[in-house]
Amino acid sequence: EAEVAQSPRYKITEKSQAVAFWCDPISGHATLYWYRQILGQGPELLVQFQDESVVDDSQLPKDRFSAERLKGVDSTLKIQPAELGDSAMYLCASSYGGTEYNEQFFGPGTRLTVL
Amino acid sequence: ILNVEQSPQSLHVQEGDSTNFTCSFPSSNFYALHWYRWETAKSPEALFVMTLNGDEKKKGRISATLNTKEGYSYLYIKGSQPEDSATYLCATDLDGGSQGNLIFGKGTKLSVKP
Repeated sequence: EAEVAQSPRYKITEKSQAVAFWCDPISGHATLYWYRQILGQGPELLVQFQDESVVDDSQLPKDRFSAERLKGVDSTLKIQPAELGDSAMYLCASSYGGTEYNEQFFGPGTRLTVL
Repeated sequence: ILNVEQSPQSLHVQEGDSTNFTCSFPSSNFYALHWYRWETAKSPEALFVMTLNGDEKKKGRISATLNTKEGYSYLYIKGSQPEDSATYLCATDLDGGSQGNLIFGKGTKLSVKP
């Protein structure tokens, strides 16, 4: 069964360092999402791609976060410099885009701890 | 600001108990309601997508109902098993289509004791 892949699964870093997360969506899925889930909260959308284009990055802290999906397939989310408040689970999801109800398929996430 | 509320925040039941929890969402501009199950160290797994008022969906021992007029959905688990232990997330899709964003609740964490 096709799955969304994410790496690394866990990342520990010190504040002010740079970190990067990778996501490989299900083959053929044009839409890719990055969510952040802070402990005790629900996942919140950071950025949404349609193919290689950003559709929505209104909640992305652009002073330190960047995301790219250069060839419209896999994607990288970067944080530089990391801050203590960035400790969270970072989830990637993808959707086919051709379904009526926007069913999103999630990867296992990257848990980031900033010390 | 769109709020999706889930209750209770956490739930502890014994194996064999039946349980239910609630998702409340803004009823205006409703398009779809999604339920996900998220087990520790795994990917969130889609359970149901519900769109019509009065919808009832069932998957094994898990079922869900939807009331779009009053803005709530119930998730029921009959005869809970330890493997049902997970966080159950609901999310609304207010835009619809391929560019709709999901607004998630905080989840209900279910623990089932053998």
